[in-house]
Amino acid sequence: AQSVSQHNHHVILSEAASLELGCNYSYGGTVNLFWYVQYPGQHLQLLLKYFSGDPLVKGIKGFEAEFIKSKFSFNLRKPSVQWSDTAEYFCAVRGTYKYIFGTGTRLKVLA
Amino acid sequence: DTEVTQTPKHLVMGMTNKKSLKCEQHMGHRAMYWYKQKAKKPPELMFVYSYEKLSINESVPSRFSPECPNSSLLNLHLHALQPEDSALYLCASSSPGRNTEAFFGQGTRLTVV
Repeated sequence: AQSVSQHNHHVILSEAASLELGCNYSYGGTVNLFWYVQYPGQHLQLLLKYFSGDPLVKGIKGFEAEFIKSKFSFNLRKPSVQWSDTAEYFCAVRGTYKYIFGTGTRLKVLA
Repeated sequence: DTEVTQTPKHLVMGMTNKKSLKCEQHMGHRAMYWYKQKAKKPPELMFVYSYEKLSINESVPSRFSPECPNSSLLNLHLHALQPEDSALYLCASSSPGRNTEAFFGQGTRLTVV
């Protein structure tokens, strides 16, 4: 079965702290992996994606993610968060003809 | 143009009403999706259209009826909904193959009264 799990449901950080959000997937085929962000009242936006090649992927707004095939993981990182990073973050995998989302991580950054 | 446009942004309907949600994209994508998102939950897939044909129906009740009149448009017809159907309905599009991301619209916030 195709699935995505995110371990951190709520994260609270102070500005300038480092961020790492966990994501594990289950999919038997060639993986396409994504992190989407949903700011309050806004639509889902793509942060970054992994299709193949370099397992360290850089996205927008200083985010990066590392694909570790042996661990079925695709963790999101940012060295120094800002108040404007307050949002919900979804890890997703492209399954057969569809995108499957994890349960999301609600990040709150304190100014 | 990398936008997926959904109308209306907000909709309130009674349980006996019939209404439609609309979605439009001009990126040449031949796969389009309807997702439902409840508060503080991830998007849940409802339907997938590929090359204007319905390819996935995730066991959605028949009171939701999708339609893809052409490669740029996707509709969701609503009839006899229940209050528990209140949610954010998201449309997305992508190229149909692998190695492609989905682009999402801003959604229609539906309230059933």
